[in-house]
Amino acid sequence: EAGVTQFPSHSVIEKGQTVTLRCDPISGHDNLYWYRRVMGKEIKFLLHFVKESKQDESGMPNNRFLAERTGGTYSTLKVQPAELEDSGVYFCASSQGTNQPQHFGDGTRLSIL
Amino acid sequence: QKEVEQNSGPLSVPEGAIASLNCTYSDRVSQSFFWYRQYSGKSPELIMSIYSNGDKEDGRFTAQLNKASQYVSLLIRDSQPSDSATYLCAVNKNFGNEKLTFGTGTRLTIIP
Repeated sequence: EAGVTQFPSHSVIEKGQTVTLRCDPISGHDNLYWYRRVMGKEIKFLLHFVKESKQDESGMPNNRFLAERTGGTYSTLKVQPAELEDSGVYFCASSQGTNQPQHFGDGTRLSIL
Repeated sequence: QKEVEQNSGPLSVPEGAIASLNCTYSDRVSQSFFWYRQYSGKSPELIMSIYSNGDKEDGRFTAQLNKASQYVSLLIRDSQPSDSATYLCAVNKNFGNEKLTFGTGTRLTIIP
C-alpha cells in the first residue's frame, strides 16, 4: 500500500510568486490534513478535510493560503503571494476515519527568497 | 505555556540501554496521545498510540500515560543505533476535533 505522497519535495521561489503543493493521501482515507513546521518550531496544524469538505481550517495563517480537495481525493495547498515567513516544511497526513491515527508524508520543503 | 512540552535534547543513550522520553500537555480534555519518530528529512512515522491511563507495550517500545499528571512518556528498551531520531509527542482532543498538537520533539542519539 502506497503511503502519503507529496509533491514537490522541495520548492524554492521568490517572494511574491505563487506555489502549489500537492498531497495524495493513502487510498481510501477520507480524512486529509495539512501541517507546517517553520524553522525551530513545532509542527502546527493548518486544516482538515473530510472528503472534499473543509472540516477545520482554524490553523490557516491568512487568506494567502488556499487549500482544495476537489473530488475528495488529492489535495492542493496554494500560497499566493508567497512571503518570507511562509518558508518551512509542509506536511500532509491522512487517516481512515475520525479518531484514527494520522499517517504523514515526507513533506514539501518550501523556501521563499 | 506551550500546549505540549518536550525536552529538546539531545538525549544520548548507550546502545542496549533504556531511552526514556517525556512529554507533558496542558489541556486536560486531551484524549489521544501519539509518539512519532522522525528521521532527518523524512516523514513523522507513528510508532505508538495510547488512549487510556497505564502502560502500553509494543515490542521494544512502551508508552505510559498518566492523565491526572498530564504526562505521557515513551520508553525504548535495548536501544539500537537505528533508534537515533527525533521523537515527537502529539495529542488530540477528539470529540470532532481531529487536529494534532505537537511538541517540538526530542532528538535521541544512541551511542554504539
